[in-house]
Amino acid sequence: DAGITQSPRHKVTETGTPVTLRCHQTENHRYMYWYRQDPGHGLRLIHYSYGVKDTDKGEVSDGYSVSRSKTEDFLLTLESATSSQTSVYFCASRSSTHNEQFFGPGTRLTVL
Amino acid sequence: EDQVTQSPEALRLQEGESSSLNCSYTVSGLRGLFWYRQDPGKGPEFLFTLYSAGEEKEKERLKATLTKKESFLHITAPKPEDSATYLCAVSVQGGSEKLVFGKGTKLTVNP
Repeated sequence: DAGITQSPRHKVTETGTPVTLRCHQTENHRYMYWYRQDPGHGLRLIHYSYGVKDTDKGEVSDGYSVSRSKTEDFLLTLESATSSQTSVYFCASRSSTHNEQFFGPGTRLTVL
Repeated sequence: EDQVTQSPEALRLQEGESSSLNCSYTVSGLRGLFWYRQDPGKGPEFLFTLYSAGEEKEKERLKATLTKKESFLHITAPKPEDSATYLCAVSVQGGSEKLVFGKGTKLTVNP
């Protein structure tokens, strides 16, 4: 298993506040991803990174931004949290030579 | 539009009662199909990757197969610890990094 950690694991915040979620991997994987998981939906890609400072949008990127200043860290920022962003957020990573993604333990975010 | 449909949504089995989960997909070009297991409150755990029709992969009581339109996850003589949600995802040709996930099948194995 890829060594992927996420922090915080749980967060409750209020509408309009900024929130940053952190993903850290120890596998030196080139690719990293942020997904959200909601009841009635499959996992949906928010943003991904294909290298340091190289990022691109996924299918549900509105209201989210990302940054990757080091190979091991990928940050997801909600500039102004809304109740529709209440969800479980998963980070994943994969190497350049394999297609399978390995997931972190998730962050449960509640926006009141 | 690329789409993945899993069935059934939920499945209850008795310990030892073998069955199969289905993942049907509609994509412009399949680069790979992935099976994951997800336990409550945890991240998806990678199980298998399949790339071409006719390919099979096995791990303990699980066997995944692939055709041109669908994949099956066969569970032989399941045990209660096999209870989990099983997710199917496809990677599409064309350079996109997106994995398209199905909504999952929740499997419960009763002792």
